[in-house]
Amino acid sequence: GAVVSQHPSRVICKSGTSVKIECRSLDFQATTMFWYRQFPKQSLMLMATSNEGSKATYEQGVEKDKFLINHASLTLSTLTVTSAHPEDSSFYICSALGLAGHEQFFGPGTRLTVL
Amino acid sequence: AQSVTQPDIHITVSEGASLELRCNYSYGATPYLFWYVQSPGQGLQLLLKYFSGDTLVQGIKGFEAEFKRSQSSFNLRKPSVHWSDAAEYFCALMDSNYQLIWGAGTKLIIKP
Repeated sequence: GAVVSQHPSRVICKSGTSVKIECRSLDFQATTMFWYRQFPKQSLMLMATSNEGSKATYEQGVEKDKFLINHASLTLSTLTVTSAHPEDSSFYICSALGLAGHEQFFGPGTRLTVL
Repeated sequence: AQSVTQPDIHITVSEGASLELRCNYSYGATPYLFWYVQSPGQGLQLLLKYFSGDTLVQGIKGFEAEFKRSQSSFNLRKPSVHWSDAAEYFCALMDSNYQLIWGAGTKLIIKP
């Protein structure tokens, strides 16, 4: 149980295009999901907390107009990187908070490369 | 301030030798603590977690960790490492907002 999927696992796009990443909780409902960014050889950096039916809460320094988060259902949150540029290239990981609130369950991550 | 410290950026261990990865935390209450492993280019895998109760926690792949409140530590151990254990290891604690506070990670290198 408690499986989280991400799609796509890898995406390459041209500079200026927008990319959408999906995060799904497959066997449980998640009112809260989290989006992280990970730079090479670094730890995870929390970008935003996504709550179903409400606006996401962004961490300081994260551009909300750049990284659009939508949590339209209890099993799906999406991250859209708008007008992507090479500096947005990174590994993006989502997680979903379990029903008991004790643990986050992680997706496998999405590798974004912007050319 | 809430924080997680992994003092060792990288550790090199011979295959078959024992392993201990250090994790210290700063938190005002009893924390929920986690250890994750990440292989290159891969996602995170939960090794073990501590919520309450027995302070020695058993995890997957032969790992264990001990919660020591007096030392604010949650060190990860394995009696005998395998080459497949080479990876990045992250310690984390969950705060009252259900957010994870991460350590910087420790890269484990296995010598043949």
